[in-house]
Amino acid sequence: SYVLTQPPSVSVAPGQTARITCGGNNIGSKSVHWYQQKPGQAPVLVVYDDSDRPSGIPERFSGSNSGNTATLTISRVEAGDEADYYCQVWDSSSDPVVFGGGTKLTVL
Amino acid sequence: QVQLQESGPGLVKPSQTLSLTCTVSGGSISSGGYYWSWIRQHPGKGLEWIGYIYYSGSTYYNPSLKSRVTISVDTSKNQFSLKLSSVTAADTAVYYCARGLTGDRHYFDYWGQGTLVTVSS
Repeated sequence: SYVLTQPPSVSVAPGQTARITCGGNNIGSKSVHWYQQKPGQAPVLVVYDDSDRPSGIPERFSGSNSGNTATLTISRVEAGDEADYYCQVWDSSSDPVVFGGGTKLTVL
Repeated sequence: QVQLQESGPGLVKPSQTLSLTCTVSGGSISSGGYYWSWIRQHPGKGLEWIGYIYYSGSTYYNPSLKSRVTISVDTSKNQFSLKLSSVTAADTAVYYCARGLTGDRHYFDYWGQGTLVTVSS
């Protein structure tokens, strides 16, 4: 089955830029989606189709995808961005819905 | 604005069947274009996709759970349901229902708030 690999944790100071990676075999050929999950809440879609943002998501959230790595970039990080972030793809050749293991973003 | 709401028992005994229902409002399951999924999250862990159903009734399940999972849809009530049989403590989790786009761009744009199901005697 297709595997997505995320770092368990990323730490960043307020105002700086956070980059959360999602690794997968030739992931650049797939559409990657990102979710933010705060404690006790349901996940929220923050980026879809590699780099598009749903309405209501700040422009500070952006995404890219190439080769074997997709990246969620959060610019000008705020305390309220502290959360778990999950990447997700659709893989028609195996289990169709695949999530990464999640990355805990800590704002220092 | 589409909304999803899970409902069902919060406590299930081992070996019994877990049953949950997701009620969709603000949009019709029958409109097509979406898969309706169940996703769970074990305490302190990541997201695990359980399976989805299309309004027509076609389903696809996570192979790791396939032998125990049944997802059904009731378009007249705008609901879809999850049954997970022969549960053990390992099935204790928060269960979410979610709407996903069909096709290769399958992402979940709306989620329920989640419901904690504990398996214990």
